[in-house]
Amino acid sequence: QVQLVQSGAEVKKPGASVKVSCKASGYTFTGYYMHWVRQAPGQGLEWMGRINPNSGGTNYAQKFQGRVTMTRDTSISTAYMELSRLRSDDTAVYYCARDLYDFWSGYTAEYFQHWGQGTLVTVSS
Amino acid sequence: DIQMTQSPSSVSASVGDRVTITCRASQGISSWLAWYQQKPGKAPKLLIYAASSLQSGVPSRFSGSGSGTDFTLTISSLQPEDFATYYCQQANSFTFGQGTRLEIK
Repeated sequence: QVQLVQSGAEVKKPGASVKVSCKASGYTFTGYYMHWVRQAPGQGLEWMGRINPNSGGTNYAQKFQGRVTMTRDTSISTAYMELSRLRSDDTAVYYCARDLYDFWSGYTAEYFQHWGQGTLVTVSS
Repeated sequence: DIQMTQSPSSVSASVGDRVTITCRASQGISSWLAWYQQKPGKAPKLLIYAASSLQSGVPSRFSGSGSGTDFTLTISSLQPEDFATYYCQQANSFTFGQGTRLEIK
């Protein structure tokens, strides 16, 4: 069965960087987009960006351009999201999420079928 | 950017009630819309995709409709496990609605 297992909670100081991992299993890692979504305490869901694990190509939400970097290591089926120049309002649970459709389905719409368990990142001085 | 607006922001209902949640897009998005359910402390769960397709394993009391700019999620007969927060999402630009909290009356 598909599983996305994320790294553990992090506490960072303002101005630092954080790197969250998402290890995939149960499917062909290079066959589906991986997205990153965050949720601040008591708030809604916010899409951050996506990575094509096959090519390494990325698309980022404008809000995070210049501060976020998404990468992957296909040898260990793991995606990474690094956020730099952290601020207190970056305190949130960060999720990875995999598409419903694979790259060969012909569908262009993307729906988030599988989710990691979430990683709490706390930014505090 | 396409904005997604849900209404109401919260709703109180009883077990057995029929509940409808609305999502409006700031411009036409065809049928490229998903609905997710999220319970406290848990990751979201995909319920409906392509506006009206029921994700595998989701109870048939959940249904979605709409196209263009106006969409609805309907729960035909509320069960205790349905009390949660629901989000719509545009499936191209990935913008989420602000969420609708469904509470027990």
